[in-house]
Amino acid sequence: NAGVTQTPKFQVLKTGQSMTLQCAQDMNHNSMYWYRQDPGMGLRLIYYSASEGTTDKGEVPNGYNVSRLNKREFSLRLESAAPSQTSVYFCASSEALVGAGYEQYFGPGTRLTVT
Amino acid sequence: RKEVEQDPGPFNVPEGATVAFNCTYSNSASQSFFWYRQDCRKEPKLLMSVYSSGNEDGRFTAQLNRASQYISLLIRDSKLSDSATYLCVVAPSGSARQLTFGSGTQLTVLP
Repeated sequence: NAGVTQTPKFQVLKTGQSMTLQCAQDMNHNSMYWYRQDPGMGLRLIYYSASEGTTDKGEVPNGYNVSRLNKREFSLRLESAAPSQTSVYFCASSEALVGAGYEQYFGPGTRLTVT
Repeated sequence: RKEVEQDPGPFNVPEGATVAFNCTYSNSASQSFFWYRQDCRKEPKLLMSVYSSGNEDGRFTAQLNRASQYISLLIRDSKLSDSATYLCVVAPSGSARQLTFGSGTQLTVLP
């Protein structure tokens, strides 16, 4: 059982380049999330998808877009990368919205550096 | 004031010690509470949910104090493998947008 998988594990971009981070879960969860984690700060929610076909902004959505491709997959796109987007990105999933008491399960993360 | 605050530590304790962490939150509408652990450069992993009545899982005990708006995590008989960063997570009912992670408390258990 793979749980939550993310690709790539590492990426280096130049300022202005674009890329898509991929996330997939095999737990038949309805809700999926994208976070970023910066040193000395807690995880911050970028976007989430409560269920297939819906997406909504989190705390720090600027500079990002998302697509809930199907129930399993939730991708995060950086259209024009900036150094401020250097971070570790985590995808997570839960059976339903975490605010309803459901626990989240995280992928291994993508370490992104923008130069 | 941050929405969720944790003492960053580090807490350095000997094996076998008992250690406790607190996490305070500012949103009185918060309904769901969790403790996660995160090893260096790894993803957060769920340690335990925190229930109103308090709950225990082996050496770990979680408590919720709604009146004072904090949750706590107690680790008894610390093991070397308990060395990690412990994150508290607070969420109000029904809204993932307001889900907030604390910055984490770093624990090192010394031999």
